[in-house]
Amino acid sequence: KAGVTQTPRYLIKTRGQQVTLSCSPISGHRSVSWYQQTPGQGLQFLFEYFSETQRNKGNFPGRFSGRQFSNSRSEMNVSTLELGDSALYLCASSLVGTGLNEQYFGPGTRLTVT
Amino acid sequence: GIQVEQSPPDLILQEGANSTLRCNFSDSVNNLQWFHQNPWGQLINLFYIPSGTKQNGRLSATTVATERYSLLYISSSQTTDSGVYFCAVGWVGSNYKLTFGKGTLLTVNP
Repeated sequence: KAGVTQTPRYLIKTRGQQVTLSCSPISGHRSVSWYQQTPGQGLQFLFEYFSETQRNKGNFPGRFSGRQFSNSRSEMNVSTLELGDSALYLCASSLVGTGLNEQYFGPGTRLTVT
Repeated sequence: GIQVEQSPPDLILQEGANSTLRCNFSDSVNNLQWFHQNPWGQLINLFYIPSGTKQNGRLSATTVATERYSLLYISSSQTTDSGVYFCAVGWVGSNYKLTFGKGTLLTVNP
């Protein structure tokens, strides 16, 4: 069974631009979560989607948004990029619920904002 | 929210040595996972262990849920074991998110 895939793997953007990251979960998994990892803040939860509905959102500004499609694939969008958005963005999938089921992570997208 | 503390923050070993990594959490949990982050950033699942003991080759883990801690044992360490080990927990009140500790950076020297 294929694992979680994320595209692109690396991205360089300029302040003020917007970016869209994509995540395809493991086949059959319906829950997709997004996390941001930075050296200063560690791994922080962004949001979680299940059956195209956002069930939970972390403490991030409204510039961070996401969505999930009917095939469970998910995208996250960051608008008006800031230097502090430079991070590794990780996507995780699980069968039904990230807090109660084993989560599997993708390889991540490394975003650099200049 | 729940607090997750990992210790030690850094650990340096010689190849062949054994080690124990600890994860303390501040409340009851329904999910506890151990991950190894490889040099490219991917989190590799080691154990899903909300309670009890599991073993996988040279690695084993024990979670004592009633005392709110989990231990990850690495025996006969190899240089490829180097990296950051994370503990993450989830619970009913977390609304489906995992909360991560800050990790233990393990360096295994040849």
